[in-house]
Amino acid sequence: DAKTTQPTSMDCAEGRAANLPCNHSTISGNEYVYWYRQIHSQGPQYIIHGLKNNETNEMASLIITEDRKSSTLILPHATLRDTAVYYCIVRVRDDYKLSFGAGTTVTVRA
Amino acid sequence: KAGVTQTPRYLIKTRGQQVTLSCSPISGHRSVSWYQQTPGQGLQFLFEYFSETQRNKGNFPGRFSGRQFSNSRSEMNVSTLELGDSALYLCASSLRGLVADTQYFGPGTRLTVL
Repeated sequence: DAKTTQPTSMDCAEGRAANLPCNHSTISGNEYVYWYRQIHSQGPQYIIHGLKNNETNEMASLIITEDRKSSTLILPHATLRDTAVYYCIVRVRDDYKLSFGAGTTVTVRA
Repeated sequence: KAGVTQTPRYLIKTRGQQVTLSCSPISGHRSVSWYQQTPGQGLQFLFEYFSETQRNKGNFPGRFSGRQFSNSRSEMNVSTLELGDSALYLCASSLRGLVADTQYFGPGTRLTVL
């Protein structure tokens, strides 16, 4: 599996955009980038995923660099309820599991 | 569409006992995966079932086992419980378990072993 590197923690002001970086320099062409978040003691929540192109849904946007070695998750207008641990996961084709790292603890402050 | 459900939500057992946890996937999903989450080890993959067959297994002892029924519901069993088995056990379902299929997680079962 390609490993990912995320900052341990970051703060964000309520109402502002939160930009969460993820490095995956060893990613291969058939590996997807997935983002999940986990609010304390709840099950992880799917946010978004992508292969090559940038993606957007009702929760967030995913920007993947052209060389695919890094990506950024953007929460456009962070709220206090976005406080969570955010996981960036690189998933290999035919690998049925998700390999979670330590993630980034995001704290949204009023 | 209803999400992934897990029962029970909380469980307290003593060392040496066994426990069975249940997971009902999202309707139409045929792949069910199980994960263990502890403060020290984080989220770790236990096993994955598809069409009643275990396709993938993580690095856990044989005390951890599972099965999947024809309706895609899954159970996992832990025998001879140890204190270190205290954890949040999470179930996730997806259509086929493939890399492009999103896994959706349930709320988890919090197991405490005394």
